[in-house]
Amino acid sequence: TQLLEQSPQFLSIQEGENLTVYCNSSSVFSSLQWYRQEPGEGPVLLVTVVTGGEVKKLKRLTFQFGDARKDSSLHITAAQPGDTGLYLCAGLYNYGQNFVFGPGTRLSVLP
Amino acid sequence: DAMVIQNPRYQVTQFGKPVTLSCSQTLNHNVMYWYQQKSSQAPKLLFHYYDKDFNNEADTPDNFQSRRPNTSFCFLDIRSPGLGDAAMYLCATSRVGGRFTGELFFGEGSRLTVL
Repeated sequence: TQLLEQSPQFLSIQEGENLTVYCNSSSVFSSLQWYRQEPGEGPVLLVTVVTGGEVKKLKRLTFQFGDARKDSSLHITAAQPGDTGLYLCAGLYNYGQNFVFGPGTRLSVLP
Repeated sequence: DAMVIQNPRYQVTQFGKPVTLSCSQTLNHNVMYWYQQKSSQAPKLLFHYYDKDFNNEADTPDNFQSRRPNTSFCFLDIRSPGLGDAAMYLCATSRVGGRFTGELFFGEGSRLTVL
């Protein structure tokens, strides 16, 4: 069974603080995605990482893929209330069809 | 423009009354998925179509069925909804196969309420 763990599962911080969310597995991914979901909406793709050690930046968000392609992190700099939401990581194994989701990190950024 | 469109966004039904949710896509992706998501949990895969091939998850109840009449459309049928089926239902598409990285594109979801 392929499992994805995310930590922390809940995070409440003040506007302007930095944070990091982690996504870990014992299995190797062919690719890994991060999604953000707001209440009542579908998840929206933020980034896909494919290459071990890859770092991608999206404005104040920095995504890193582990060298062994088993883990990933999402770092947010100077969080804003608009960053509030459920952050989901999902992994794809062996270029297959099935995506495995982590349990999600619920982020609340207080003004 | 929305690329994965789900209808209806909100569906209220009575216990045991069949419901059909629809999903259409303009991405020409070969895989379409149906997920069930309950309050703040991760999406749970019900089944997916790879082209015309139907793939059911082992723990998906028989109460849930799906149809994919063509590349663009996919339907989720709940034959006899129970109170426990109240959830957000998410349709997603992906282009997989070959060496594509594979990403999921979600619709906005259909929220089902069972009375």
